[in-house]
Amino acid sequence: NAGVMQNPRHLVRRRGQEARLRCSPMKGHSHVYWYRQLPEEGLKFMVYLQKENIIDESGMPKERFSAEFPKEGPSILRIQQVVRGDSAAYFCASSPGHLDNSPLHFGNGTRLTVT
Amino acid sequence: EDKVVQSPLSLVVHEGDTVTLNCSYEVTNFRSLLWYKQEKKAPTFLFMLTSSGIEKKSGRLSSILDKKELFSILNITATQTGDSAIYLCAVVYNQGGKLIFGQGTELSVKP
Repeated sequence: NAGVMQNPRHLVRRRGQEARLRCSPMKGHSHVYWYRQLPEEGLKFMVYLQKENIIDESGMPKERFSAEFPKEGPSILRIQQVVRGDSAAYFCASSPGHLDNSPLHFGNGTRLTVT
Repeated sequence: EDKVVQSPLSLVVHEGDTVTLNCSYEVTNFRSLLWYKQEKKAPTFLFMLTSSGIEKKSGRLSSILDKKELFSILNITATQTGDSAIYLCAVVYNQGGKLIFGQGTELSVKP
């Protein structure tokens, strides 16, 4: 049973370009979460999605960031017009249901570097 | 403001030592507390705690929750170099849709 799969593992973008990060949850998991980890900081919540629905995006920056989890295919975190401050590790996590009953399982992350 | 605070932020010990990592929280409508271990890659799940006073144990690791005093501890006995990692505490709160992490404790075990 494959774990949470994220790709790419490393992504380098120049300022102003777009970054697209992909996440395939564990089999049977319908809840997806995105977290960002800046150097020397803990994991910061960004967005919580279920299939075709954004449940909570309170951690997403107001501009340039968007996320989706379509009916078919992986969840995508999209960052438009990247800036140096977007450089971070972006982790995706999934769970089979509500967090009351099941812990999050994390992918290995995508390390985004903006040059 | 909802928050999770871990201490110490970093810790250096020698193999065989016992360590205690601390996690305190202030959140709305607490649901559960989780511990994760993060090496170079993904955080890996260690424990999920929902009830006060019940110790969870896995090998040399154990953890307990105090919902009255709003904290949890993670103990590691007879530490090994392979225990070197960042240990993350996280709290599920507010109808279970949110998970907030502490800053982590970076543990380094020297041979």
